[in-house]
Amino acid sequence: GDSVTQMEGPVTLSEEAFLTINCTYTATGYPSLFWYVQYPGEGLQLLLKATKADDKGSNKGFEATYRKETTSFHLEKGSVQVSDSAVYFCALSDLLGNTPLVFGKGTRLSVIA
Amino acid sequence: DARVTQTPRDKVTEMGQEVTMRCQPILGHNTVFWYRQTMMQGLELLAYFRNRAPLDDSGMPKDRFSAEMPDATLATLKIQPSEPRDSAVYFCASGPSSGNTIYFGEGSWLTVV
Repeated sequence: GDSVTQMEGPVTLSEEAFLTINCTYTATGYPSLFWYVQYPGEGLQLLLKATKADDKGSNKGFEATYRKETTSFHLEKGSVQVSDSAVYFCALSDLLGNTPLVFGKGTRLSVIA
Repeated sequence: DARVTQTPRDKVTEMGQEVTMRCQPILGHNTVFWYRQTMMQGLELLAYFRNRAPLDDSGMPKDRFSAEMPDATLATLKIQPSEPRDSAVYFCASGPSSGNTIYFGEGSWLTVV
């Protein structure tokens, strides 16, 4: 079945450091790919998404590119802030959205001043 | 902003008691999901509905959990009897009929003592 693998955390970075959180997937067909973020005490929020190969999703300084050849969707940000401290989830869904999202286990990011 | 609304926000209950969690999906969304989040298991899909019909509830312990959608504006998740191992955050999420982005509520934080 479909699956998502994320790098294990926690990840601790200093403010203004470069962030990469790796995500690879296994899927039949051509899924849509997502990054969700969960701030402490809150639900998951959609951060960005990409629906086809080579698409780049971006939001709030974060970006991720759908790489079909490497089945990856790595999350990057050039300069993290303390307010980016959260848990980040990579997820996939089939092209038509007919099946529930499959989530990775999440990566906790802590940014220190 | 349209949002998924969940009640209760927090619940502490004694083992053996019945717990009912409620969810109001975003108006116009016809797909509703129930997820459970724990430190050990991460995010688990319990059940989901489309147009109020249950499509998959294989993630739920059938002997004690039940999920329903009495109408398009209300989804319920019931646990009877509750056990300490049910302590978790329960998230409801909804999505539109087309496209595959889903939107999460803030969760119901359940503690069974």
